[in-house]
Amino acid sequence: KAGVTQTPRYLIKTRGQQVTLSCSPISGHRSVSWYQQTPGQGLQFLFEYFSETQRNKGNFPGRFSGRQFSNSRSEMNVSTLELGDSALYLCASSLVTGELFFGEGSRLTVL
Amino acid sequence: DAKTTQPNSMESNEEEPVHLPCNHSTISGTDYIHWYRQLPSQGPEYVIHGLTSNVNNRMASLAIAEDRKSSTLILHRATLRDAAVYYCILNSNTGKLIFGQGTTLQVKP
Repeated sequence: KAGVTQTPRYLIKTRGQQVTLSCSPISGHRSVSWYQQTPGQGLQFLFEYFSETQRNKGNFPGRFSGRQFSNSRSEMNVSTLELGDSALYLCASSLVTGELFFGEGSRLTVL
Repeated sequence: DAKTTQPNSMESNEEEPVHLPCNHSTISGTDYIHWYRQLPSQGPEYVIHGLTSNVNNRMASLAIAEDRKSSTLILHRATLRDAAVYYCILNSNTGKLIFGQGTTLQVKP
């Protein structure tokens, strides 16, 4: 079966702009989580959505937001981009419980 | 969120078993012990998870101490493709994983 699909894979933005990243989970998976990975901070949890509701949230500023649609697809948005937002953004999906399946990520560069 | 402690790095020879330790002294009763690994330029990959009993799957085995304050991931025969960062994570079966620094495993031919 198809894995977790993230788009776009690479993107370049400038400071102050906003960005929207998309994640299509594995068919049947209702939980979608987002993570940020940087060389300095490692992998950090952003938020988790389950059945269109945010179930968990990490310690990120309000500029980071997300949503989940009825078909379980999810988007995350970062507004007013800062240089420090340059990172690999990873999406993961899972069934109700158990293992998470990660996508290949969206690499964001902020100039 | 309960934390885990892992060695920063380990080395192994190809074809030999590898035992990756993890300490989690503040584990709660509802925490599952998850292991993920991340190969270079890839997203994390699920390896195995367990609650109290030892677990085996096609990739690895998970040995859990009786008091659940520590666990060991066992790769029975390391290959070069097993070189990765291995993360031990406590999770209550939600999508919220708190990653530490992990253990970087180097496999020598």
